[in-house]
Amino acid sequence: GAVVSQHPSRVICKSGTSVKIECRSLDFQATTMFWYRQFPKKSLMLMATSNEGSKATYEQGVEKDKFLINHASLTLSTLTVTSAHPEDSSFYICSAPNPYEDGYTFGSGTRLTVV
Amino acid sequence: GENVEQHPSTLSVQEGDSAVIKCTYSDSASNYFPWYKQELGKGPQLIIDIRSNVGEKKDQRIAVTLNKTAKHFSLHITETQPEDSAVYFCAARHSGGGADGLTFGKGTHLIIQP
Repeated sequence: GAVVSQHPSRVICKSGTSVKIECRSLDFQATTMFWYRQFPKKSLMLMATSNEGSKATYEQGVEKDKFLINHASLTLSTLTVTSAHPEDSSFYICSAPNPYEDGYTFGSGTRLTVV
Repeated sequence: GENVEQHPSTLSVQEGDSAVIKCTYSDSASNYFPWYKQELGKGPQLIIDIRSNVGEKKDQRIAVTLNKTAKHFSLHITETQPEDSAVYFCAARHSGGGADGLTFGKGTHLIIQP
């Protein structure tokens, strides 16, 4: 139980375009979704927390207009990287609190490459 | 906010030997400490976790110890095998409940030498 499906797993886009990453909770309702960013050989850094039906909470230093988060339903949260630039290239991972036990379940990640 | 320090950044051990990775945290209110294994290009996978009301937890070859007074916790892997090679992250949750995200350590690249 408590599976989060993340898509796409890999995406390459041109500078200036926008990319949407989706995370779906398959067998539970996720009122909260955490979005992390991971640079190569680095740790996961929390970018923002999305809550169903309300505005996302962004960590200090994360541009909310750059990284648009939508959590319109209890099973879907999306992260849109707008006007992407090469420095936005990274591994993006979503995570939701596990409803069946204290802990978290992670998506499989999205490797974004901006060329 | 919470700050998690993890050491070492790289650890190389002979197959069959034990590996120990250590983490410290700053927020005494933290109450949940998971350890994740991450393979290249994949999301983190939980391998073991411990809560602040417990000092030690073991699951086959993997164990975690927690010292609340010193604010540090450690991962112990015994009888290491080649498939244990990966990057391991410790993390801490700095408040109660799942509504708070995790703060991660910087990771340890564990290399198991055959």
